[in-house]
Amino acid sequence: EAGVAQSPRYKIIEKRQSVAFWCNPISGHATLYWYQQILGQGPKLLIQFQNNGVVDDSQLPKDRFSAERLKGVDSTLKIQPAKLEDSAVYLCASSQFTGTREETQYFGPGTRLLVL
Amino acid sequence: DQQVKQNSPSLSVQEGRISILNCDYTNSMFDYFLWYKKYPAEGPTFLISISSIKDKNEDGRFTVFLNKSAKHLSLHIVPSQPGDSAVYFCAASSSRQGAQKLVFGQGTRLTINP
Repeated sequence: EAGVAQSPRYKIIEKRQSVAFWCNPISGHATLYWYQQILGQGPKLLIQFQNNGVVDDSQLPKDRFSAERLKGVDSTLKIQPAKLEDSAVYLCASSQFTGTREETQYFGPGTRLLVL
Repeated sequence: DQQVKQNSPSLSVQEGRISILNCDYTNSMFDYFLWYKKYPAEGPTFLISISSIKDKNEDGRFTVFLNKSAKHLSLHIVPSQPGDSAVYFCAASSSRQGAQKLVFGQGTRLTINP
């Protein structure tokens, strides 16, 4: 079974530029998550989708970050414009919907972003 | 506001001995706890979990203990193997605040020495 795919793996941009990350979840997984992991910290949830609807985006900085999952499969996360403090690894995860807390989240390898 | 804390950034253990990783939390609404393991350049992978109605859960060499009164959990690995060298994250969630909304600690880097 293929895992969660993410691209690109690395990205270097200058501040005020825009950047987009792509995620393809495990086939059949209805729930998709985007996390931000700053160096030395644990992953922090940015947004959670159930199919193509947003379940939780309370920690997404909506003035510069946006995410979509139009057809309920792939997802993109965009930052516009980027700031220095956005330098982090952006992790995508997916889970098979069970409606319980025992849904195991499977993570992709992440996209490492460096903002100069 | 760090709701989940792993106060040891690193831990070094000899192969074959017991590894004990610790985690503290502050949010009394957390009722489900997980440990994830992360190798370099890979995403975290689920290791073991425990519900707040239990105080122990075991899976092979891995055991998680939960002390609700102290708001503390620990992961025991016995015996430790070189392949266990990784970063371990503790995570917690609350049924009332979103069952799948995981709050992670900062991680502990475990090194198993031969």
